[in-house]
Parts: sequence; structure tokens; C-alpha cells
Amino acid sequence: AQSVTQLDSQVPVFEEAPVELRCNYSSSVSVYLFWYVQYPNQGLQLLLKYLSGSTLVESINGFEAEFNKSQTSFHLRKPSVHISDTAEYFCAVSMNTGFQKLVFGTGTRLLVSP
Amino acid sequence: EAGVAQSPRYKIIEKRQSVAFWCNPISGHATLYWYQQILGQGPKLLIQFQNNGVVDDSQLPKDRFSAERLKGVDSTLKIQPAKLEDSAVYLCASSTLAGAYSGANVLTFGAGSRLTVL
Repeated sequence: AQSVTQLDSQVPVFEEAPVELRCNYSSSVSVYLFWYVQYPNQGLQLLLKYLSGSTLVESINGFEAEFNKSQTSFHLRKPSVHISDTAEYFCAVSMNTGFQKLVFGTGTRLLVSP
Repeated sequence: EAGVAQSPRYKIIEKRQSVAFWCNPISGHATLYWYQQILGQGPKLLIQFQNNGVVDDSQLPKDRFSAERLKGVDSTLKIQPAKLEDSAVYLCASSTLAGAYSGANVLTFGAGSRLTVL
């Protein structure tokens, strides 16, 4: 079975600073990888996903993540964060063979201060 | 398009009481999911429906939890009797199909129903 590890439960940063949220996964087969974001009092929404092809994927609001198969990682980065990026970020993985449910990590709370 | 609707948003009950949560997915989404999110943990899948059939309920505590999606549209999740450890946010999500059992499905989540068991 697959699993996801998000080592950082909380990441405080100042506005306009770069940020990296770490995600490592464990799986014996090829995977699909996702980042979901949860803003306060809202449901989770997809931020970006890796299914196949280019290992670098980008979101419309400046986040990017790179699939690194050798390190089994899918870290999320943004070169300059805004106050509005304050939210909880969840990494998730599913296998791409057969029926496999989406498994979430424990989440990382990004706190952006002025 | 309208999002995934859930109600109630908040519920407080005593242990051993019962509670029910309702979810209406995005129109046309064949797949519906119920997740449990305990404070400090990631969402855990309880049950997944494909139309009105159950695809996966391996992590549903069937002695106290039940869920149905009778007409393949909206769904109800029930807990009876509730325990203290059931305090959590219950998230409903829906998706179109990337494939019948594809792990590539993108989920759209509702805002959740927060349950507190005293």
C-alpha cells in the first residue's frame, strides 16, 4: 500500500519569501501525485497534479512541484509567497495500476506573515 | 457550476447518540467519496461510491457507520452510536471518471461537516 509523509506540520514564512513544503511517498509501483490546498473554512481543492510526462508541474497561482522518482519526493515550492497563500497543504498519492484510493499526508500549515 | 454541498456544517452530540450527514455532489459526477479528517491528521477515505454502488468501504467501521447513495446522486453518512473518537470533520467529495477505477481522478470537496462528540 502507498503512504505519504509530510514532515513539517507548520511552516512560518514572511511575505515575499520563498517556501518549500516537503512531501515524500512510499509505493511499490508507479504513482500519481497531488497537492491539495485547504483555505480556512473551505473544502480541499486541487492545487496541482503529476500524472505522467514532465516531472515539473505548475499551478496557476505560482506554485510548482517536481516529481523525483529516485528520492520518492514531490516537494511543493513557491519563489515568493503572499499573505493569501496562508492555508493547509496536503500531499496525496494514488497508484496508477488497478483500483487504488487516494491517500493523504497529514498536512502542512503554511503561515505567511507581513 | 455549483460545488459539493454538505449539511449540517456543525453538529455537537453526546456519545451514544446518532447523527447523519448529507452530501449533494456536483451534477454529473458519478463518483462520491466520504472522508474522515481527525484533527492533526490527513483525510482518510471511509467509503467510495460509483453511481449507487460501493467501490470501497474497507476503512468504514461498519458496526457504527453506514452510508447510502440510493439514487446515485446525493448521499447520507450515519453514525450510530457515536463515540468520542468519532469527533472529526466529515468531508464529502465527488469526481468525474478518468477511468473506472483510476487513481488519476481529481476530487472536488465540500466544506465539510464538523462533528463534536461529548
